[in-house]
Amino acid sequence: DAGITQSPRHKVTETGTPVTLRCHQTENHRYMYWYRQDPGHGLRLIHYSYGVKDTDKGEVSDGYSVSRSKTEDFLLTLESATSSQTSVYFCAISSGVSGRTDTQYFGPGTRLTVL
Amino acid sequence: GENVEQHPSTLSVQEGDSAVIKCTYSDSASNYFPWYKQELGKGPQLIIDIRSNVGEKKDQRIAVTLNKTAKHFSLHITETQPEDSAVYFCAAWGRNQGGKLIFGQGTELSVKP
Repeated sequence: DAGITQSPRHKVTETGTPVTLRCHQTENHRYMYWYRQDPGHGLRLIHYSYGVKDTDKGEVSDGYSVSRSKTEDFLLTLESATSSQTSVYFCAISSGVSGRTDTQYFGPGTRLTVL
Repeated sequence: GENVEQHPSTLSVQEGDSAVIKCTYSDSASNYFPWYKQELGKGPQLIIDIRSNVGEKKDQRIAVTLNKTAKHFSLHITETQPEDSAVYFCAAWGRNQGGKLIFGQGTELSVKP
C-alpha cells in the first residue's frame, strides 16, 4: 500500500461522539487525501492537504475537519459522529513532483460504524 | 458538476474470456485517466493509467484505450483468471475539477473457473 498506514482499521462508535482517524505515510509525499467509499458512490473526496498546515475541502466535507501538522501525518476528525458517516475511509497520497498531483496511491482503509 | 459514469456495474465472465469496462467523463479538460483494482477488504490499487497524449496503453493482459473526442475510455482484460475477480474503478483528473480525481461508481468483476 505504497508506504501508507491507517489507524484504526476498524472502529465502532456511538452517535454524537468525536472520532479521529489517522493516516501515516513514509513516502514524504506532499499531497494527502481523505476519501469515503459507499456502495453505489465510488470514492468521494472529503478533504485534502497540499502541505503542512495547508488543507482544502472536497465534495463531501460537511461534518469533517482535518489537520496536518507534519508531512507524514494527516488526521480526519468527525466532531460529532452521525449514522450517515458510517463508511469505509481511505487515505491517499501523491507526490506533487513536477506538478504530478494526479497519480494517487491508497492506504488499506478504516471501516467506521456509527451506531 | 463534473462526473464519471462507469458501466457495467457488475460483469461475470468465464475464465479465459475477455472483460471490458467502459467509462465516460464530462470534463473536456481531463488529461489523466487511472484504473484501480480493489480486492475485498483492501484499498484500491493502481493497475494502469493513461494520459491524454496517447490513445492506447498495454501492460501484459490489461490495456486501456482513450477516445478524447467522445470523452470515453475503457479497460480491457484478456485471458481472465479467477484472481482478476475484484471491483474496478476508473477515474478522471482535470484542471476544471480543481486538480482532483473524480471516480466512477465501480464494476464488480467475477471470473468463473
